[in-house]
Amino acid sequence: NAGVTQTPKFQVLKTGQSMTLQCAQDMNHNSMYWYRQDPGMGLRLIYYSASEGTTDKGEVPNGYNVSRLNKREFSLRLESAAPSQTSVYFCASEPGQLNEKLFFGSGTQLSVL
Amino acid sequence: SQQGEEDPQALSIQEGENATMNCSYKTSINNLQWYRQNSGRGLVHLILIRSNEREKHSGRLRVTLDTSKKSSSLLITASRAADTASYFCATESGGAQKLVFGQGTRLTINP
Repeated sequence: NAGVTQTPKFQVLKTGQSMTLQCAQDMNHNSMYWYRQDPGMGLRLIYYSASEGTTDKGEVPNGYNVSRLNKREFSLRLESAAPSQTSVYFCASEPGQLNEKLFFGSGTQLSVL
Repeated sequence: SQQGEEDPQALSIQEGENATMNCSYKTSINNLQWYRQNSGRGLVHLILIRSNEREKHSGRLRVTLDTSKKSSSLLITASRAADTASYFCATESGGAQKLVFGQGTRLTINP
């Protein structure tokens, strides 16, 4: 039982490049989330998916797109990376839609040069 | 927007001592949660306290909630080196932002 798996763990991009961060959970959870963590800022919600087939914007969605491919997988895409998107990205999931206990992946450290 | 503000930002104590961290928030909440993050890892859920609860225990953890002061505290008793981590409070207010996390307290337990 792996929980929430994120790939890759590390990535370096040049400004303007695109990439997709992958997230998969094997706990049959309904809700999935993408957060970014910056020094001194805590975690900020980028996008979330309350159920398969639905996605909604969080606090900081600009510059990102998401896809809830199926119940297991929720990907985050940067179409044209900018240095301001240098951050650590975390995927999380929870069984329902109550925001009562999130399970986090181990993160992707992204640097945009 | 930041909802929870943790205090202190950093705390260093000796093994065996108790550690207390505080969280203040701005708007009314449905629940407040505490998470732990070890260096280089994802967050791990520790405990949830609902708005109608005042105190909750889980092992060596004690959480209090004062909705009139919009504040919560996390007490870790008899600290161990393995408790070294960052601790985050997160509030749930039913809004579009879902869980809103504070900036965290970095706790260091010295052997």
